[in-house]
Amino acid sequence: GAVVSQHPSWVICKSGTSVKIECRSLDFQATTMFWYRQFPKQSLMLMATSNEGSKATYEQGVEKDKFLINHASLTLSTLTVTSAHPEDSSFYICSASTVSTGSVIFAFFGQGTRLTVV
Amino acid sequence: LAKTTQPISMDSYEGQEVNITCSHNNIATNDYITWYQQFPSQGPRFIIQGYKTKVTNEVASLFIPADRKSSTLSLPRVSLSDTAVYYCLVGDMANQAGTALIFGKGTTLSVSS
Repeated sequence: GAVVSQHPSWVICKSGTSVKIECRSLDFQATTMFWYRQFPKQSLMLMATSNEGSKATYEQGVEKDKFLINHASLTLSTLTVTSAHPEDSSFYICSASTVSTGSVIFAFFGQGTRLTVV
Repeated sequence: LAKTTQPISMDSYEGQEVNITCSHNNIATNDYITWYQQFPSQGPRFIIQGYKTKVTNEVASLFIPADRKSSTLSLPRVSLSDTAVYYCLVGDMANQAGTALIFGKGTTLSVSS
């Protein structure tokens, strides 16, 4: 399957600082990428849709000023957690879709980024 | 709101066939059914995707009845390494702009020796 890569795999930061997470589609172009958050023992929760060249669309309850998303190219989307607090500690996962033969889309996920705010 | 319903957990033994059924009563005409596997602290891994009837790959089979209101993921001869959470999702995978997949609670499969 197609490869979606996230960096870093894990990060520890101090409360009040900002952290940037990168999501790259390595062997295909993705006009749309998606960001999810997952707390322990819970399912993935969609945070936002990242659109190349335009503003991201955020799900209800997700603060757009806190979770800044930039989709600067067809292979890169970044999520910046600004002024991080301990409650932002979570597992962040991105997803990108690619089209197969027959015009059917397949969605692939990155390996995730474990954010710990201390 | 997730569009699918799955059993919360299942138990099996090594070498057995495991069938996980997913209910999606409100599936739309353009929706495809996709299954993912997730290990702790990893992103979901694509297993299989289908629209109708049966789809098979090197890892699993997906059975979809004619009314498409449910689907069954079949894992042949599971091993301990198949212990994971399995998610069934439905979404418009013909939408070239990309479709956000909404996750339900998934099924935790535990395989014992």
